[in-house]
Amino acid sequence: NAGVTQTPKFRILKIGQSMTLQCAQDMNHNYMYWYRQDPGMGLKLIYYSVGAGITDKGEVPNGYNVSRSTTEDFPLRLELAAPSQTSVYFCASTQASYGSGGGDEQYFGPGTRLTVT
Amino acid sequence: AQKITQTQPGMFVQEKEAVTLDCTYDTSDQSYGLFWYKQPSSGEMIFLIYQGSYDEQNATEGRYSLNFQKARKSANLVISASQLGDSAMYFCAMRLLFGNEKLTFGTGTRLTIIP
Repeated sequence: NAGVTQTPKFRILKIGQSMTLQCAQDMNHNYMYWYRQDPGMGLKLIYYSVGAGITDKGEVPNGYNVSRSTTEDFPLRLELAAPSQTSVYFCASTQASYGSGGGDEQYFGPGTRLTVT
Repeated sequence: AQKITQTQPGMFVQEKEAVTLDCTYDTSDQSYGLFWYKQPSSGEMIFLIYQGSYDEQNATEGRYSLNFQKARKSANLVISASQLGDSAMYFCAMRLLFGNEKLTFGTGTRLTIIP
């Protein structure tokens, strides 16, 4: 299994440009997430999805949009890139069981390093 | 809201020694899970260990163990017999067990193993 894949690995954008970060998982997980990691910091949640057609905002959603039309894919859209969006972006997924009490770990993709200049 | 605090920005440890990475958390919920992830210089996030709030025993996974003190709201990671490959960033995270499975991360501890 490929697990969680992300494309591209690296990208440089000019201020005001738009782009879509792709994320796909082949584990049939219902939950998917987008995080950003700024230098020297932990991960902050941008958006998440509990299933196809259902998305919700996380801690830092401004400047981003998501959609989830299939179980497998969860793209992240940046409409008007700003220098503050320079970061490493991680996509993750989990097959969470409601109240399972178990360690339903999140599986992370390799990340996309984005620079906005 | 949940909060994770990791007070050690960086640590240096001699190879083969044990090391404890601190993590304290704050939540008003009774049902939650605590995770530790490792992030090597290559950047990927690697799951290490999990502890549920109702687990009576401390979790262990090979050289990793989690020292869970519920009353103190701490979930420290203990690495026994450290190796050079343990040099990495380590993140503590938590999520509620009855919710949307969002993880809240701490700011991390950079561990450097000295040969």
